[in-house]
Amino acid sequence: DADVTQTPRNRITKTGKRIMLECSQTKGHDRMYWYRQDPGLGLRLIYYSFDVKDINKGEISDGYSVSRQAQAKFSLSLESAIPNQTALYFCATSDFRASGTPDTQYFGPGTRLTVL
Amino acid sequence: AQSVTQLGSHVSVSEGALVLLRCNYSSSVPPYLFWYVQYPNQGLQLLLKYTSAATLVKGINGFEAEFKKSETSFHLTKPSAHMSDAAEYFCAVSDFNNDMRFGAGTRLTVKP
Repeated sequence: DADVTQTPRNRITKTGKRIMLECSQTKGHDRMYWYRQDPGLGLRLIYYSFDVKDINKGEISDGYSVSRQAQAKFSLSLESAIPNQTALYFCATSDFRASGTPDTQYFGPGTRLTVL
Repeated sequence: AQSVTQLGSHVSVSEGALVLLRCNYSSSVPPYLFWYVQYPNQGLQLLLKYTSAATLVKGINGFEAEFKKSETSFHLTKPSAHMSDAAEYFCAVSDFNNDMRFGAGTRLTVKP
């Protein structure tokens, strides 16, 4: 089984709809991240969480919200989806406690979201 | 804010030729630098990372990168390209809090 899973893998929705993307991990890592990938722009950080009670905005948080329901679960919500949120979304995890330094981030397989 | 610039959105090499993917960084604090690879329809996976130890970093699949502070560079190399190396490669810089910034990516094509 994959260590970092994302659901759904593909989603098509309409402008104005509320969407939730979910991420689960079995790696026991403390930190979790949400990124979006757009062609020619690489990956941009939306939100990251150091633990259940510590949520931080990333580079492009406007229009998004997150919830860290448990150490293993981190969900991303689009309250009112718009077409320019069409992108590939990745969840990632890392284990800061073990290394004490910025550590490898482990990525899920991605969710392809299309907003019509 | 820290950032990376990847020179060349597309690089094409022949099988067996040298692979050189360029990355320059900007950071006001000692950087942590990473190279990730993305194969089609997959997430990213780590190739190698620099965290202020040895300046020449060896990674998986025969890749290596050299941290050059004077040039603010962290270029990725592989002596001999293989068809299986065809993928998109991302350079990234992180601060101590793991706020990671990625480059735009370089798509590597390997010709037979």
